Amino acid sequence: AQKVTQAQTEISVVEKEDVTLDCVYETRDTTYYLFWYKQPPSGELVFLIRRNSFDEQNEISGRYSWNFQKSTSSFNFTITASQVVDSAVYFCALRYSGAGSYQLTFGKGTKLSVIP
Amino acid sequence: DTGVSQDPRHKITKRGQNVTFRCDPISEHNRLYWYRQTLGQGPEFLTYFQNEAQLEKSRLLSDRFSAERPKGSFSTLEIQRTEQGDSAMYLCASSELAGGLQETQYFGPGTRLLVL
Repeated sequence: AQKVTQAQTEISVVEKEDVTLDCVYETRDTTYYLFWYKQPPSGELVFLIRRNSFDEQNEISGRYSWNFQKSTSSFNFTITASQVVDSAVYFCALRYSGAGSYQLTFGKGTKLSVIP
Repeated sequence: DTGVSQDPRHKITKRGQNVTFRCDPISEHNRLYWYRQTLGQGPEFLTYFQNEAQLEKSRLLSDRFSAERPKGSFSTLEIQRTEQGDSAMYLCASSELAGGLQETQYFGPGTRLLVL
């Protein structure tokens, strides 16, 4: 069975602090994709990044960076110098190549609060 | 390029009533998905269309739920004889028919349903 675990339910940081959101996944497939989405209070899920299982290079986009480690089945997300606008719920998701390959399996999300 | 739109944004209904939600995907996106999100949880997959064909349904989609995409453009999700347990955010997403697993799903703002 496929599963995504986001152990951190809520995190609070003071503005300008760095914060890492953890994501651990389970799948038997060798080919799969991992995603991060942001859900601000308005409710709309905003796509942040997609990573395939064959590409373990870390990625940086502005203040955002992602660390993908197959050895530990983790795909962690770091926000550097956090801002109040980063306050949202962040979801990690998995899509695998088995039956039902088009659905995303989401974790329960991590609610990030950035305090000014 | 306009994003995914959903209507209505909010719906309050009494138990036992029928409700219908509409989703308009990003233009030229062949694939359309419905997810359900309850409070404090990640979105859960309900069903998926490729053009007008409904190719996948989750076990979460009971007989009271029906989804259509008659012309391969917009989609509707109907819930008959609503129950209080149906209260949730209903999210629609769309994606392009890209090769393999490379597609990315883009989400709409959701319809928040409250069943009294």
